[in-house]
Amino acid sequence: AQSVAQPEDQVNVAEGNPLTVKCTYSVSGNPYLFWYVQYPNRGLQFLLKYITGDNLVKGSYGFEAEFNKSQTSFHLKKPSALVSDSALYFCAVRAAGGGKLIFGQGTELSVKP
Amino acid sequence: DTAVSQTPKYLVTQMGNDKSIKCEQNLGHDTMYWYKQDSKKFLKIMFSYNNKELIINETVPNRFSPKSPDKAHLNLHINSLELGDSAVYFCASTRIYGGTYNEQFFGPGTRLTVL
Repeated sequence: AQSVAQPEDQVNVAEGNPLTVKCTYSVSGNPYLFWYVQYPNRGLQFLLKYITGDNLVKGSYGFEAEFNKSQTSFHLKKPSALVSDSALYFCAVRAAGGGKLIFGQGTELSVKP
Repeated sequence: DTAVSQTPKYLVTQMGNDKSIKCEQNLGHDTMYWYKQDSKKFLKIMFSYNNKELIINETVPNRFSPKSPDKAHLNLHINSLELGDSAVYFCASTRIYGGTYNEQFFGPGTRLTVL
């Protein structure tokens, strides 16, 4: 069965410091991986995706993610966090058949000034 | 020029009632989805339509019935509402190119509260 795990419910970072939000996955076949962000009382916004190619994927708002096949991970990173990055972040994998997304449980990112 | 819109944004109703949520996308996508986000923020797929054809039907009570009148619309009707149906329901859409699935675009959500 395909699954996604985000091992941290919450990540706290000081503004200006680098941030990492962790994600590991389990899929059969090639993984199609996504990161989404959800601000309070809003829908999900797409940040970036890995389909194939370079292991380092760059996305919106200065975020990037590193695909690591041997560790089955797809961690989200940003070199310098902003207070406005505070939100709920979801990692997702596309499941075979129909293109549905299987989401991790979400990680609440809090960036303090 | 909203990409994926949902109505209503908030829905408060009594147990046992029947209600509908509507979704429209103006992105020219051919595939639409309904997801449910529970109180712990966990997101789970419910249904998906591709070109008006149901392609995903997860283990959802048959009180929930999706309908897609055309590629741009996907509605969700819920009969005999129960307390446990309280959640935020998200619509999403994407375009499938020859089997390749792109990112999904999400609507703003409909917060359903059943009293």
